[in-house]
Amino acid sequence: NAGVTQTPKFQVLKTGQSMTLQCAQDMNHNSMYWYRQDPGMGLRLIYYSASEGTTDKGEVPNGYNVSRLNKREFSLRLESAAPSQTSVYFCASSDVQGPSMVYGYTFGSGTRLTVV
Amino acid sequence: QQQVKQSPQSLIVQKGGIPIINCAYENTAFDYFPWYQQFPGKGPALLIAIRPDVSEKKEGRFTISFNKSAKQFSLHIMDSQPGDSATYFCAARGNFGNEKLTFGTGTRLTIIP
Repeated sequence: NAGVTQTPKFQVLKTGQSMTLQCAQDMNHNSMYWYRQDPGMGLRLIYYSASEGTTDKGEVPNGYNVSRLNKREFSLRLESAAPSQTSVYFCASSDVQGPSMVYGYTFGSGTRLTVV
Repeated sequence: QQQVKQSPQSLIVQKGGIPIINCAYENTAFDYFPWYQQFPGKGPALLIAIRPDVSEKKEGRFTISFNKSAKQFSLHIMDSQPGDSATYFCAARGNFGNEKLTFGTGTRLTIIP
């Protein structure tokens, strides 16, 4: 099925370890996003990429880096994990469409990350 | 600041009732207002969306009411069912030349039989 695929689904890290969360979409979308979801905080944007080759910081970028490898793939890296980064991470993609058209994000199923 | 304020944080309604979730925004540059539904262990999924040139939009049992002057919009679920139990997020997109959405903090809705 077409959509957004995230790996891994679950991960436990020790403080200071690094890891990369992978995301791929097969809908030929231009824009891709990384969000984190925490109880009572909603979805907060970490980084986004409006098109291949471009990335921009979102609301909570500290402690993260991203790579837009190609149009399909957008990875999120934690260089030195901290307990405050324990969260559920969602990747999403969207079409870039004009204001007269309805569009929406397609989200992956999430990565549940625990940093101990 | 580009904020979207959502209330209530949680809501319990009996089957057949009409839960209402409210959102408010400050930035008049927002031009698109979607609602997302999220089931446990899943990513959010687009439910319904509205643009500020209309005051109401219905899709099945879901209705968005939009008040441009008050900068508020709300989601109503008619004839609610236990299967509607989920977390609902409102969001807003600004005409800033990108597709970024700003999300509300979410409402956990429980429909009891």
